[in-house]
Amino acid sequence: NAGVTQTPKFQVLKTGQSMTLQCAQDMNHEYMSWYRQDPGMGLRLIHYSVGAGITDQGEVPNGYNVSRSTTEDFPLRLLSAAPSQTSVYFCASSPTRLRHHEQYFGPGTRLTVT
Amino acid sequence: AQSVTQPDIHITVSEGASLELRCNYSYGATPYLFWYVQSPGQGLQLLLKYFSGDTLVQGIKGFEAEFKRSQSSFNLRKPSVHWSDAAEYFCAVPSNFGNEKLTFGTGTRLTIIP
Repeated sequence: NAGVTQTPKFQVLKTGQSMTLQCAQDMNHEYMSWYRQDPGMGLRLIHYSVGAGITDQGEVPNGYNVSRSTTEDFPLRLLSAAPSQTSVYFCASSPTRLRHHEQYFGPGTRLTVT
Repeated sequence: AQSVTQPDIHITVSEGASLELRCNYSYGATPYLFWYVQSPGQGLQLLLKYFSGDTLVQGIKGFEAEFKRSQSSFNLRKPSVHWSDAAEYFCAVPSNFGNEKLTFGTGTRLTIIP
């Protein structure tokens, strides 16, 4: 199993550009989530999904969209990038919604917005 | 919302010495509590979890944590650290009882000196 994979590893965007961060898992996990990690702030939940076709907002959803058309994939879309979105983004998955706390993390995407 | 506090931003320990990382929680009921570790440049990995029962829980890599309700704490310990334990450690708690969101502390960075 590859586990949770994320692409790209690094990305530089200009303010106003849009892009999609890709996340895939091959463990047949129900639950998937996106976090951003900023110095001194720990991880903050952006969006999460308890199954295909179901998504919900986390703590800091503004400026981001998600969809979950398959169990495996959970892409994160930045609609119009802003410098405040410079961060490291982690995707994670869990076996079921009841075990959402047992999260398996991807390696992260480091995004810089200039 | 429930939360966790990690009062130590950075801790330095000599290799072979014992380690204790602090975590205090704010939770209305008996909490579920977790410790995650993040090695440099990587995603997070679940170290251990507490749901109920025995207040001393064992995790991977020789770590343990003790739940103390009277002190609202869930401190992480290891009797003898190895250089490979250098990483950032995060305490986490479900955001609300029954909620499918996990709230992370701000992390403690552990440095190991020879």
